[in-house]
Amino acid sequence: ILNVEQSPQSLHVQEGDSTNFTCSFPSSNFYALHWYRWETAKSPEALFVMTLNGDEKKKGRISATLNTKEGYSYLYIKGSQPEDSATYLCACMNYGGSQGNLIFGKGTKLSVKP
Amino acid sequence: DVKVTQSSRYLVKRTGEKVFLECVQDMDHENMFWYRQDPGLGLRLIYFSYDVKMKEKGDIPEGYSVSREKKERFSLILESASTNQTSMYLCASSLETSSSYNEQFFGPGTRLTVL
Repeated sequence: ILNVEQSPQSLHVQEGDSTNFTCSFPSSNFYALHWYRWETAKSPEALFVMTLNGDEKKKGRISATLNTKEGYSYLYIKGSQPEDSATYLCACMNYGGSQGNLIFGKGTKLSVKP
Repeated sequence: DVKVTQSSRYLVKRTGEKVFLECVQDMDHENMFWYRQDPGLGLRLIYFSYDVKMKEKGDIPEGYSVSREKKERFSLILESASTNQTSMYLCASSLETSSSYNEQFFGPGTRLTVL
């Protein structure tokens, strides 16, 4: 089974701070990486799906990069706002895994103080 | 607007009871998934289905079964609930798995407590 690691486990920042966190995954047989945001009392929502080495995606103040050769992805939030408070999940799929089988990390819980 | 709904937000059952968790999606997605989420652990896949009447075991299928009689509905069944099945259960759906690029759409979750 793939092992997907996220760090840090939790993060507390002030409004306006920029922040980033990491997702590590086995680089062999990589197929795709997903990032999700999970706000309390809501459903997880997809942020990005990334497949190519060197991919960089952006949605508003949030961006992500992917390095498939070394097996990591960074998620960046510029100028954090209280509404960014959520748990951020990454999930990976590799070749040879069951179709549709995303392996999720434990998440990074972000708290943004006003 | 894409929607995945689950039959209950909170459920309390007794040990040994048969429990049904229902999930419905209105996006005509081929694939549906059941996960559980426990403190300190990531989302773990219990079962998934890529077509009507088709199912595949995920990472932790023991103690569970599933049913997919219609494309829009995917049921998770706990044959005889046990206390270690107390958890948050999330359903998700996605377009066909020929491409892993397809994001999954999640329901709001069912928090099940087994006493």
